[in-house]
Amino acid sequence: DIQLTQSPSFLSASVGDRVTITCRASQGISSYLAWYQQKPGKAPKLLIYAASTLQSGVPSRFSGSGSGTEFTLTISSLQPEDFATYYCQQLNSYPPTFGQGTKVEIK
Amino acid sequence: QVQLQESGPGLVKPSQTLSLTCTVSGGSISSGSYYWSWIRQPAGKGLEWIGRIYTSGSTNYNPSLKSRVTISVDTSKNQFSLKLSSVTAADTAVYYCAREGIEYSSSSGFDYWGQGTLVTVSS
Repeated sequence: DIQLTQSPSFLSASVGDRVTITCRASQGISSYLAWYQQKPGKAPKLLIYAASTLQSGVPSRFSGSGSGTEFTLTISSLQPEDFATYYCQQLNSYPPTFGQGTKVEIK
Repeated sequence: QVQLQESGPGLVKPSQTLSLTCTVSGGSISSGSYYWSWIRQPAGKGLEWIGRIYTSGSTNYNPSLKSRVTISVDTSKNQFSLKLSSVTAADTAVYYCAREGIEYSSSSGFDYWGQGTLVTVSS
């Protein structure tokens, strides 16, 4: 299985901050990477797929980049509703696997 | 608007079979290029993909669970189902069903999810 390692695992930030989360794959996955946001007690929500394609309805402050083994999710200006846990997911090969998550909390 | 809803017992005894159904509304399970997946999440932990089915009936399973998992589809009811046999406490988790889109022969991610259902394995 392809392993995904997210960093940091925990992030404390303020409203308005620019936030970047990194996801590293144990082997190359081209651009077959998605990002999800999960709030407590809720299902994950798709933010980005194909590494940089914004899912319909997702605010433009979210962006993704990268290919191969290193990817980033950036929130350009953190909003109160963005405090959540974020997961990356590789869709290059089966089984699809997820990173361990990055929890974004209010400073 | 597509909606997915999981249903099934919330408590299963060890060694028994966990059975869940996902009902899809707001669209036909047979239309479009989609896979239908099951994913689980133990309390306070990360996400694990269990397996998926296409409306043709073709399936893919996580090798770590393959010997215990069966996913089936009932297009007449717009539902797909999960069976996980020989469960242990390690199978206690929130179970989600989800839709995976396909664009140009590549995955476009899991765009619709059910709300999740907690299944506890305990005697």
